Amino acid sequence: AQSVTQLDSHVSVSEGTPVLLRCNYSSSYSPSLFWYVQHPNKGLQLLLKYTSAATLVKGINGFEAEFKKSETSFHLTKPSAHMSDAAEYFCVVSEERYGGATNKLIFGTGTLLAVQP
Amino acid sequence: GAVVSQHPSRVICKSGTSVKIECRSLDFQATTMFWYRQFPKQSLMLMATSNEGSKATYEQGVEKDKFLINHASLTLSTLTVTSAHPEDSSFYICSARVSAGSLSPLHFGNGTRLTVT
Repeated sequence: AQSVTQLDSHVSVSEGTPVLLRCNYSSSYSPSLFWYVQHPNKGLQLLLKYTSAATLVKGINGFEAEFKKSETSFHLTKPSAHMSDAAEYFCVVSEERYGGATNKLIFGTGTLLAVQP
Repeated sequence: GAVVSQHPSRVICKSGTSVKIECRSLDFQATTMFWYRQFPKQSLMLMATSNEGSKATYEQGVEKDKFLINHASLTLSTLTVTSAHPEDSSFYICSARVSAGSLSPLHFGNGTRLTVT
């Protein structure tokens, strides 16, 4: 069965410094992986997704993530944090069964990113 | 872009009463919508898949008689929490896909914070 683990529940960085949000997954098949962001009082928004194409995926707002099969990781990074990046980030894997991906998303427990001025 | 509207954003109700939450796709038709629940400090969990014109598919452990889902049109799905109890207090969020296919992006509503007193 698929699962996803976000290693840090809270991450705090200074504005202008790099961001690293860690995610490890477990999957029997080739996974589809996503990062979603949830700003306070707003809905979830897709940042980026990996679907077996290029292993380095670029998303919105300068974020990117690299799929590393050998490490079963899909860490989210950004070179320089901005105050507006403060939010909760979810790593997500699409459940897969025989025949391909399903509609069921399996969410990590989330990482709350704080950006200090 | 695709917008999913969820209403109400917050609701407080007394124990034993029922609460209806609406999820609308504003500028696209959604044959399938999804309902999630998020407990404090935990991840989002898929509750059920709502299919237009047919019965919803519930995840294991979710009481279908307690969480009634109706998807009467291509733009509206409703979740009714019947005979609510304090343990039903949670954050409920809906989502929908613009097009068919499990890898097309999900668009989320802003969520509903339910508090049962």
